[in-house]
Parts: sequence; C-alpha cells; structure tokens
Amino acid sequence: TQLLEQSPQFLSIQEGENLTVYCNSSSVFSSLQWYRQEPGEGPVLLVTVVTGGEVKKLKRLTFQFGDARKDSSLHITAAQPGDTGLYLCAGPPYFGNEKLTFGTGTRLTIIP
Amino acid sequence: EAGVAQSPRYKIIEKRQSVAFWCNPISGHATLYWYQQILGQGPKLLIQFQNNGVVDDSQLPKDRFSAERLKGVDSTLKIQPAKLEDSAVYLCASSLRGRNTGELFFGEGSRLTVL
Repeated sequence: TQLLEQSPQFLSIQEGENLTVYCNSSSVFSSLQWYRQEPGEGPVLLVTVVTGGEVKKLKRLTFQFGDARKDSSLHITAAQPGDTGLYLCAGPPYFGNEKLTFGTGTRLTIIP
Repeated sequence: EAGVAQSPRYKIIEKRQSVAFWCNPISGHATLYWYQQILGQGPKLLIQFQNNGVVDDSQLPKDRFSAERLKGVDSTLKIQPAKLEDSAVYLCASSLRGRNTGELFFGEGSRLTVL
C-alpha cells in the first residue's frame, strides 16, 4: 500500500504557465517534505511543512499543507525550463516514526 | 562542505552475480539511509542506520541484501545473488539526526542494471 499518492504522474506544460501538483494520503502526517530530483542526481529538499494549513513560499513555488495534515500541494507560477524534474513528497508514516516514506512522484517537463 | 559520496555510479552485472555499493555520508551526520529507486517511482527505504546501529530494515530483502555501517561512518550495501528486478538506482542519504523533520542529503546514486 502506497501511503503517499502524487498526481498527476506526468505533466508537460509550456514555459510561463502555472501548475499545481498534489500529494495525498489517507494517513495523518506530522510533517511533509517536498524534494526535486533532476536526472542522474539525488533528490534535493525544497521545503518542509509542519503545521496544518501552513503555506510556504520559495520564489515562484508555493507549498501548502492541508488543514487535516493528510495532503499537500505545490503550485508553480510562471514555470521555467529550470523547474523540470521529478517532484517528490515525503513524510514519516506516523507520529514518532523517523522513517521517511516517499510518494510516487510527479515528473514535470517545462517546454521552452 | 563535501556532499554524500557514492560509488560506483554505474554497474552492469548478470543475474545471480553479486554487487556492492559504497557510501560515505556528510561528516558528522549520525543517520544514514539506503533507498532503492526503480525507474519512474519514488525512492523506497531499504535500511536506516543511526550511528552504527540499525534503526529500520523492515523493507530490506534479507535473503539477498545486506548492509553494514562499521564505525558509524561509511556504509556498504551488498546484493547477492542479484535478480532482474533489482535493476534500480540505489541512493544513499544522510541526515544530521534521525528526526522526521530533518533534511536528508542524497548522493548521486548508483545505477544497477541486472541482465
């Protein structure tokens, strides 16, 4: 059973457009992390959200943690080719656990 | 600051052969993780070490996979004998501590192809 489902699995859009990707679970998470992975490299942390309803901004990227702490979204404004990559959400499967479980991933391609 | 080092970057073997991957974490990081990432999927945790002790190895196929972290620094992941379905990228990561909000720093990975 996959604890963290991400959607869409693939997304290809034109440069300059906006997009939102989602990370959903039936379980409550104490925190969620978002990573971006480029081809041939390991994932790199973008942000950690901890509080239900929390919104964090990183330049053109906006991350939101659901009020019930079961879901999260990543919104990108005016996408650029440098945003291309595999976006992964990750979190501990239950409170007090220190193991990070990764989601299924969204592969994003920005077309110049 | 040096990042997480992994070797080899690429390895091609035939099924039933053995292979070993090496990882040197960031200096001072107590927690070390080995993840398996099959093409198109998110990483799956194989084993987590805290210093030189195993914290979680519940998803490690122990009949063929083994890992050690002698002296609590670098680590080796071994597969013997390899199966076709072991073809994947093996990612090593480390964190300063094992808390669930801690940032994981990943190496570039070791890509294994089993023929």
